[in-house]
Amino acid sequence: QQQVKQSPQSLIVQKGGISIINCAYENTAFDYFPWYQQFPGKGPALLIAIRPDVSEKKEGRFTISFNKSAKQFSLHIMDSQPGDSATYFCAARTDSSYKLIFGSGTRLLVRP
Amino acid sequence: GAVVSQHPSRVICKSGTSVKIECRSLDFQATTMFWYRQFPKKSLMLMATSNEGSKATYEQGVEKDKFLINHASLTLSTLTVTSAHPEDSSFYICSAGLAGPGTQYFGPGTRLLVL
Repeated sequence: QQQVKQSPQSLIVQKGGISIINCAYENTAFDYFPWYQQFPGKGPALLIAIRPDVSEKKEGRFTISFNKSAKQFSLHIMDSQPGDSATYFCAARTDSSYKLIFGSGTRLLVRP
Repeated sequence: GAVVSQHPSRVICKSGTSVKIECRSLDFQATTMFWYRQFPKKSLMLMATSNEGSKATYEQGVEKDKFLINHASLTLSTLTVTSAHPEDSSFYICSAGLAGPGTQYFGPGTRLLVL
């Protein structure tokens, strides 16, 4: 119940295309859902986050869509660029705990 | 934004020696710090949670005598890998959490190679 399932494991997108990464969870106590971007040899960097009281949040080219009833959330990267090539992790956390439960990660490659 | 630093960025040591990794929150006070381990092409595995001035809480399967964590101040936590062995080689990442319903900010990671 503590798991966050992430898919796909890897993704190849052409420059200018839309990258979509999906995550699903079981624990309805989760109330904070961040996405992290990690480049090789670096620590994860917070990209965007959402709480379940909204269905969508947009920051620049990055959008989180949240479906509370389905217990799913996804990251959309519009106009994908080669510089977006990285590993993306979704995560979830309950408000009573600082502990983040991470998804398994998605390796995104954006071809020029 | 919140900045977390780690030192060293990479370390090579001989088997049997101990290695200390520092994690600092540079522009905020972190009530809670976390230590993760990451294997190549894998997700982050939480090792332990540390709160300033108290003992760390270790995740199941993590040897507390092997991985010593000290959180002496609101801006510094250290992870000491004692009597390191080749199987301890990994990428170690810390993160710091802001008080309240804050998010975690990650350090740049430390690459440990035990020969």
